[in-house]
Amino acid sequence: DAGITQSPRHKVTETGTPVTLRCHQTENHRYMYWYRQDPGHGLRLIHYSYGVKDTDKGEVSDGYSVSRSKTEDFLLTLESATSSQTSVYFCAAGPKGEVDYGYTFGSGTRLTVV
Amino acid sequence: DQQVKQNSPSLSVQEGRISILNCDYTNSMFDYFLWYKKYPAEGPTFLISISSIKDKNEDGRFTVFLNKSAKHLSLHIVPSQPGDSAVYFCAASENDYKLSFGAGTTVTVRA
Repeated sequence: DAGITQSPRHKVTETGTPVTLRCHQTENHRYMYWYRQDPGHGLRLIHYSYGVKDTDKGEVSDGYSVSRSKTEDFLLTLESATSSQTSVYFCAAGPKGEVDYGYTFGSGTRLTVV
Repeated sequence: DQQVKQNSPSLSVQEGRISILNCDYTNSMFDYFLWYKKYPAEGPTFLISISSIKDKNEDGRFTVFLNKSAKHLSLHIVPSQPGDSAVYFCAASENDYKLSFGAGTTVTVRA
């Protein structure tokens, strides 16, 4: 969906280095999310935001931090990357309406920590 | 502990036949359920949803059934088409704007 843009699309980084992933939305959604996708686990919530400067932890938040200084941008930072953080990261925003809770996802960032 | 479970990692079905994907959940507070479809190298896309006050929702070839007493929902795709080959994720929400996802089921539609 063109409304959610993630950057970079691919990244290889070394263990111990900080990494920041970016998510930009053009749909003015209040809520934004970061998920990671791993085989056998599906999509797991890392952090989410319910407004500018308002964020909260998800189920797998250890080793990650987020920031949201503007409605349209949501950043995910790996403070010191580890091999266990090799994954595909998806940003989402929404919901599309009050009743269907449908969220729009970005195309993902494939992160490899070597 | 995963609150949404998709116990079948994969499903193979012949074109034109019905695909049935199953999902179980453990959290009785979930009140909204969604299915997402995902192609390789793309993000998940919303497919269909159902609220806990309903037991069926239909959208074209896709129908979702909810059995609250069994904490079970299913997605029926009729008829299955080659373009339906994808990973399907079941998700649920407690009305708190957060989604919990299952591990996904890979559907392969054979010609």
